[in-house]
Amino acid sequence: EPEVTQTPSHQVTQMGQEVILRCVPISNHLYFYWYRQILGQKVEFLVSFYNNEISEKSEIFDDQFSVERPDGSNFTLKIRSTKLEDSAMYFCASSGTGTAYGYTFGSGTRLTVV
Amino acid sequence: QKEVEQDPGPLSVPEGAIVSLNCTYSNSAFQYFMWYRQYSRKGPELLMYTYSSGNKEDGRFTAQVDKSSKYISLFIRDSQPSDSATYLCAMRTSGTYKYIFGTGTRLKVLA
Repeated sequence: EPEVTQTPSHQVTQMGQEVILRCVPISNHLYFYWYRQILGQKVEFLVSFYNNEISEKSEIFDDQFSVERPDGSNFTLKIRSTKLEDSAMYFCASSGTGTAYGYTFGSGTRLTVV
Repeated sequence: QKEVEQDPGPLSVPEGAIVSLNCTYSNSAFQYFMWYRQYSRKGPELLMYTYSSGNKEDGRFTAQVDKSSKYISLFIRDSQPSDSATYLCAMRTSGTYKYIFGTGTRLKVLA
């Protein structure tokens, strides 16, 4: 069964450093998303991406965050200057027919900011 | 009032039991509803997707939406120890990509 792949599975970074989280969505999917889950809290929407541009973003997704689809297979989330409160599981997801159906999530990247 | 509310559990049931998991919501404009299963430190896995009201069945799983009561349910028949996980409901309105998730209900099925 097709899956969404995320790397790395765990990243530790120092506060103020830039991090890039990488995702390979399902190959024929057109819509891509990032969500995050702070430990013990609910899954929260960050951003959606379609046709090489952001289609929607949440209030969490401020100027520190950016997304990119640098080639035909990868989808990245960059955090420019990490803060302690950015520590969370970051999930990439993709969907084939837009918003009409559920997403397929990756296994996540655990980001720890120290 | 929270947009989506879910009892955090844990809910413990014996193997073979019928499990009922529920979410209530406040936004009457929600139209798309999903149930996900999440194992510890893993990504959510889509179980059921429902549009608007009604029931949907897939194997041992049945999803129900009651829009008049702003209440959705997931039933698991013949529960197995492998069903032990956290179950998340998620929902959204039309015209947005943003799903709102509940906090999840932790389920333990005892062998």
